[in-house]
Amino acid sequence: GAVVSQHPSRVICKSGTSVKIECRSLDFQATTMFWYRQFPKQSLMLMATSNEGSKATYEQGVEKDKFLINHASLTLSTLTVTSAHPEDSSFYICSASSTDRGQDTQYFGPGTRLTVL
Amino acid sequence: KQEVTQIPAALSVPEGENLVLNCSFTDSAIYNLQWFRQDPGKGLTSLLLIQSSQREQTSGRLNASLDKSSGRSTLYIAASQPGDSATYLCAVRTGANSKLTFGKGITLSVRP
Repeated sequence: GAVVSQHPSRVICKSGTSVKIECRSLDFQATTMFWYRQFPKQSLMLMATSNEGSKATYEQGVEKDKFLINHASLTLSTLTVTSAHPEDSSFYICSASSTDRGQDTQYFGPGTRLTVL
Repeated sequence: KQEVTQIPAALSVPEGENLVLNCSFTDSAIYNLQWFRQDPGKGLTSLLLIQSSQREQTSGRLNASLDKSSGRSTLYIAASQPGDSATYLCAVRTGANSKLTFGKGITLSVRP
């Protein structure tokens, strides 16, 4: 199956700093990447959808200036949490899909645990 | 607005038991439904995907059924094993290019 990686797997940062999370599709070209956030014992909430070379489409209630998404290539998307605060602490998961592999299927990364002190 | 519900939130069973995990959704006009497994602190692994035209899908000891008219899906796990312990998430998509809407998941514990 397709492989999606995320880096880092865990990050701890101080309040007010910015954190960048990378999402890579290792063995296929991802035409679309998705970023989700998951709070403990809660469902995954879609934050934004990005297509390679285009601006991301953000879900209602997600601040685009706070959660910067860049999908500059077909194998890499980044999520930058700017001026992080403790309430941004969460589990961030990316997924990727490809027209070559059937747009129906999203392949999920292993997630990144963000803790803001 | 599509809402996905999974009840109960947690389930504990002895090894070897056959079990059913339930998922319900409010809008029956779905494109497909997918069951995922999530281990603690990990990402999601897709288990089964059922298209709206299908009634069930099987993979090994897993069988997922879909009843669109009643807004329900079940994941049947046969002969459960301790390695099946994980959180099982149900997600639906309402269109070909629409987002996945997830339930909160059911945390399953299979006791040896």
